Amino acid sequence: NAGVTQTPKFQVLKTGQSMTLQCAQDMNHEYMSWYRQDPGMGLRLIHYSVGAGITDQGEVPNGYNVSRSTTEDFPLRLLSAAPSQTSVYFCASYLPGADTQYFGPGTRLTVL
Amino acid sequence: GENVEQHPSTLSVQEGDSAVIKCTYSDSASNYFPWYKQELGKGPQLIIDIRSNVGEKKDQRIAVTLNKTAKHFSLHITETQPEDSAVYFCAASSGSGYALNFGKGTSLLVTP
Repeated sequence: NAGVTQTPKFQVLKTGQSMTLQCAQDMNHEYMSWYRQDPGMGLRLIHYSVGAGITDQGEVPNGYNVSRSTTEDFPLRLLSAAPSQTSVYFCASYLPGADTQYFGPGTRLTVL
Repeated sequence: GENVEQHPSTLSVQEGDSAVIKCTYSDSASNYFPWYKQELGKGPQLIIDIRSNVGEKKDQRIAVTLNKTAKHFSLHITETQPEDSAVYFCAASSGSGYALNFGKGTSLLVTP
C-alpha cells in the first residue's frame, strides 16, 4: 500500500491563480481530512469528508473548496489564491474503529 | 469550539533523561486524545493515543496520562534518544476521531 499520497510536493502561485491539491489513499478509508500547518499555529482543519459525496467544513474553510466523488480521492481547490494561503497542506485518512489518522507527506504552497 | 493548549513550545533534554509535554483542552465532550510526532519534512505520525475512559496508557518508552476532571493530558518519554528529536503535537476530538483539534506543537531536542 502506498498509504496517503499528495501531489504536488511544492507549488508557487501568484495571487489570484487557482489550483487543485491532490490527495489519494489506497486503504479504503471512509474518512478524509485536509489540514494546513503554519509556523506556531499547529495543524488546523480545513475540510473533511465522512464518505463519498459527503463533505463538511472545519475550523478554517474560507477560500477552499472540496469534493469527494470517490472513496480514494479528496482534492482541495483554491479558487483564487491569496498570500494568506501560503502554508503546508496535509491530507489525512481515517478508518473508524482503528483510531489512527494517516497523514500524507504534505504540499508546501507559496502564494506571491 | 475546542481549544487545545500545549506546553512547552520547545524542550531540550540530555540523552537518557525524561521529557514531559502537557496539554489542556476546553471541551468537556472531548473523548479521544492522540499524540503525533512530526519529523522534518514529513507528515505527522501517530505515536500513542488515549480515550477518556482510561487514565494512563504505555507503549515501551512512551506513556500518556489523562486527567478528565482537570481537562489535561500529558506525554511522557523516558530514556530519551537523539532519534526522539522532533515536533510533537497533542490533539483532542469529541467525535469519532476524524476531526482533530491540535495543539501548537512542542519542538523536542535530545542532545547526546
